[in-house]
Amino acid sequence: GESVGLHLPTLSVQEGDNSIINCAYSNSASDYFIWYKQESGKGPQFIIDIRSNMDKRQGQRVTVLLNKTVKHLSLQIAATQPGDSAVYFCAENSGGSNYKLTFGKGTLLTVNP
Amino acid sequence: KAGVTQTPRYLIKTRGQQVTLSCSPISGHRSVSWYQQTPGQGLQFLFEYFSETQRNKGNFPGRFSGRQFSNSRSEMNVSTLELGDSALYLCASSSVDPRTTGYTFGSGTRLTVV
Repeated sequence: GESVGLHLPTLSVQEGDNSIINCAYSNSASDYFIWYKQESGKGPQFIIDIRSNMDKRQGQRVTVLLNKTVKHLSLQIAATQPGDSAVYFCAENSGGSNYKLTFGKGTLLTVNP
Repeated sequence: KAGVTQTPRYLIKTRGQQVTLSCSPISGHRSVSWYQQTPGQGLQFLFEYFSETQRNKGNFPGRFSGRQFSNSRSEMNVSTLELGDSALYLCASSSVDPRTTGYTFGSGTRLTVV
């Protein structure tokens, strides 16, 4: 069945460093991917998305890379700040008449000052 | 503009009871999805509604049901509550094609079953 998983459950970085959060997915039909950030007591917050016809997309301080060959997704956060501390989820959608998101388990990012 | 509003924020129910949760989507969004979040299973899809019709359903028992009203507001109901239903229930709204506007989540309803 389809699944989305994360390689690292926790990641600790120093303030100012770059962070990389990884995600593997198994559904080759997935054509839309989203990264979400979830802070304690809040719902997931959209960070950036990417469609399968792209391999890279950049936002403000964030970059998502998609490698369809190995079914791998990564989120890069530049100059990580304490406010970036949260749980990060990748999610995928396989398009067509399927409107559900399949989420990975999440990675806890801790930024040390 | 206002985000996705979920009420109530917290609920405590007794095993065997039923519960109804409410979600008001972003103005103009006609799709509402529901997710259950638990420490053990993570975020799992419950169902999705668009224009009062259920388009997708996840792998949950029939005790979990939902509906959407003509103003796009949605409710989900859980009957005969079990301890394992304790979770954060999240609602997300989107346009017709969520690949255009993405999925915007509310802050959730924390349900505790005792």
